[in-house]
Amino acid sequence: RKEVEQDPGPFNVPEGATVAFNCTYSNSASQSFFWYRQDCRKEPKLLMSVYSSGNEDGRFTAQLNRASQYISLLIRDSKLSDSATYLCVVNGEYGNKLVFGAGTILRVKS
Amino acid sequence: GAVVSQHPSWVICKSGTSVKIECRSLDFQATTMFWYRQFPKQSLMLMATSNEGSKATYEQGVEKDKFLINHASLTLSTLTVTSAHPEDSSFYICSAIRDSQNQPQHFGDGTRLSIL
Repeated sequence: RKEVEQDPGPFNVPEGATVAFNCTYSNSASQSFFWYRQDCRKEPKLLMSVYSSGNEDGRFTAQLNRASQYISLLIRDSKLSDSATYLCVVNGEYGNKLVFGAGTILRVKS
Repeated sequence: GAVVSQHPSWVICKSGTSVKIECRSLDFQATTMFWYRQFPKQSLMLMATSNEGSKATYEQGVEKDKFLINHASLTLSTLTVTSAHPEDSSFYICSAIRDSQNQPQHFGDGTRLSIL
């Protein structure tokens, strides 16, 4: 079983749609959780950290369920510029090593 | 603006050449930097953790003599791919963290390495 699992997609949605991505992780001792976005042939860029209480940044809402070892990302009012691969990333128990999911592809179309 | 700079962005060279990639943290001191490799349509795979002033810690299956890492200062880590072969062609990305637990990593813009 992979340490971090994501639905690879692609998710094809129209502009303005709401879309949700899910992610599960296997290490119950994981301490930190992030969503990164990666554009084609580019480096990952931090989208947002994920906190236990859930957090929101504009159109983006992230939630964490430690009991189920589940992380989600909700994007409201999708824009064309949101098209990218979204990486669920989990920090391990020791040190600051990150484990990356394989990513979920989002395509927003006009 | 970018907080981690990586150079070069693209490298195309012949088989057997050694290639050095630099990773610099621009506005903070990074005691720890990480080197990743990403093959097409795959996730980032951690190759090694680079600690300033000490030997790098390599992940299982990564040859330390093949991928030489030097972290000589708090703002610079280098990865040298020695005697590169076509199977080493990949996207190499470094990241750095500020000296604090559980902080997100900031990534360099990656180096696309193509070995002919």
